[in-house]
Amino acid sequence: NAGVTQTPKFRILKIGQSMTLQCTQDMNHNYMYWYRQDPGMGLKLIYYSVGAGITDKGEVPNGYNVSRSTTEDFPLRLELAAPSQTSVYFCASSYAQTGANEKLFFGSGTQLSVL
Amino acid sequence: SQKIEQNSEALNIQEGKTATLTCNYTNYSPAYLQWYRQDPGRGPVFLLLIRENEKEKRKERLKVTFDTTLKQSLFHITASQPADSATYLCALGNYGQNFVFGPGTRLSVLP
Repeated sequence: NAGVTQTPKFRILKIGQSMTLQCTQDMNHNYMYWYRQDPGMGLKLIYYSVGAGITDKGEVPNGYNVSRSTTEDFPLRLELAAPSQTSVYFCASSYAQTGANEKLFFGSGTQLSVL
Repeated sequence: SQKIEQNSEALNIQEGKTATLTCNYTNYSPAYLQWYRQDPGRGPVFLLLIRENEKEKRKERLKVTFDTTLKQSLFHITASQPADSATYLCALGNYGQNFVFGPGTRLSVLP
C-alpha cells in the first residue's frame, strides 16, 4: 500500500498565482486533514473532512479551499497565493475521528514558496 | 487559548544515554496524548499513545509518562542511537476533537 500520497513535492509560486495541492490515500480512511508546518510553530490544521462531500474549517483556513468528492482524494486549493502561505503542507488521514484509538497517517509533504 | 510547549527546540545527547523530551500544556485538558517522529523532508510517523488514566506506556526503548496534574508528558528514549536523531512532536487530543500539535524538539544523538 502507498498510504498517503502528496504531489507536488516542491513548488514555487508568484504572488497572486493559484495552485492545487493533491492528496490521495489508499487505506479507505474516512477522515482526511490538511496541515501546514512553519518553523517553531508546530502543525496547524487548515481544513478537514469526515467523509466524501463533507468538509470543515480548521484553525487556519483563510486563503485556502478544499473539496472531497471521493473517499480517496482531498485536494487543497490556494486561490491567490501570498507570501504568508510559504510553508510545508502535509496531508493526513485516519480511519475514524481522532479519538483515543486513532492515529494520523501523514504524506511526505509539499514545500511551497510564494515569492 | 491552548498552548503546548516542548522543552528546547534542539537537544543533543551522547549515544547510549537516555534522551528525555518534555511536552507541557496549558488551558487544555486532553483525554490522551500521542508522540510522533518526523525525519527531515518526511511527514510525522506515529510512535506511542497514552491516555489520561495511564501513568506510563512502554514500547521497546521508548517510554512515555503522562501527568495530568503537572500538565506534562515525558518521552524517554533509552540507549539512544544516532538513528534516533529526528524531530519529535507531541499531540494532544480529546474525543470528538482534532489534534493539537506541539512545535517539536529536534533530537541529535552524537556518536
